[in-house]
Formats: sequence, structure tokens, C-alpha cells
Amino acid sequence: DAKTTQPTSMDCAEGRAANLPCNHSTISGNEYVYWYRQIHSQGPQYIIHGLKNNETNEMASLIITEDRKSSTLILPHATLRDTAVYYCIVRVRWGEKLTFGTGTRLTIIP
Amino acid sequence: EAGVVQSPRYKIIEKKQPVAFWCNPISGHNTLYWYRQNLGQGPELLIRYENEEAVDDSQLPKDRFSAERLKGVDSTLKIQPAELGDSAVYLCASSSSGEQYFGPGTRLTVT
Repeated sequence: DAKTTQPTSMDCAEGRAANLPCNHSTISGNEYVYWYRQIHSQGPQYIIHGLKNNETNEMASLIITEDRKSSTLILPHATLRDTAVYYCIVRVRWGEKLTFGTGTRLTIIP
Repeated sequence: EAGVVQSPRYKIIEKKQPVAFWCNPISGHNTLYWYRQNLGQGPELLIRYENEEAVDDSQLPKDRFSAERLKGVDSTLKIQPAELGDSAVYLCASSSSGEQYFGPGTRLTVT
């Protein structure tokens, strides 16, 4: 699996959009971009995934650049409950192991 | 729908003692994973099961770690004997050709 690079930490004001970047410059053509998050004392939670088109679900939006070397996870209206570590992962398909990095620690400020 | 259940949530043992963790996956999920998460790090896969078959155990330290999923449903991960470096959170996850769902984990402290 390709490796990813994320900022160690970020802050965002409550109610604002949180934009979490991820670099994956060595991503292969058949690898998807996945995002998980881990709230304190809980297991990781799936958020969203995409291949090359932008994706949106009830939790977040995923913007993938045209060259697929980077992506941004957008939480449109951040709440205090969105404080967590966010992991960007690239891998081929469902069922494969998840290779986590150290993620981005997002803190939502009241 | 019940999520992935793990027990115990916390365990404190002395080094050289054995310890076991139990996981009950989401009903119908044929793939089960055990991950280990050290402090400040992301989870790392220890073993993956497809039904009762271990299909990826390359990262499982086989000298002291063992796992089983006898009937293809719940699973047990065992450490014997435990070492100080085994202190971590042990996470179980399950999936059914979709995203992985994680349990809350078992926090192991070896003293």
C-alpha cells in the first residue's frame, strides 16, 4: 500500500468547516483513498472513501485532486464531537488490511 | 444492530502471565481482524480471518501470541507469556465485503 502524509495536528472553530489534507504521491491507479477517525477511547470509525471522483456522504466530503496525489477531507460544520484523530489510508480494495499512519489530531475549539 | 463486542475492556497483569482477549463480531461478518495499537500510533494488523481460516498472520509474533476462530464467529487472542512491551490497546474489527467496523478495544497494561 502507498504511504500517506498528514499534518500532526489541526484546530478548527466549532461550526466552521474543517479541511484535513493528505498527501499520497505514490498512490497506484487501482488504490482508493479511505478516511477513518478515532475518537478517544474508541475504535476507528469509517468515514468515507473514493477513487478519483469527489465523494460526499452524511458525515463528510472527500476531494481528490485530478492527479490523485493528494486529497482533502471536509467536515462541513464541525462540532465538538468531531474532535478525534483522522487517518488517511490508501489501499486496493475492501477486505485488505488497513495500514494506519499516525493521523491528524483534530481539535474543535468551542 | 449490535456492534463489535470485546471483553474485557481493561486488563492489568504482571509480566510472564498469560492473558486472553475475546471478540464477537457483527452478525454475518465473515472477516475478522485483530489489531494492536501502541500509544500515539495507529493500529497495526496482527491477524485476519476469513471465516475460520487465518489468511494473514504475517505480523503475529507467533512465539507468544496465538489466535483462534473455531466456528468462524467469535475469536480469542492470547498472549503467553506477556512482556512489558505488550502493553497496548488490542482492537478487533469485522467486515462483510465492506468497511471495517471496530470494537472499543481492550487496554492491556503489563507491569
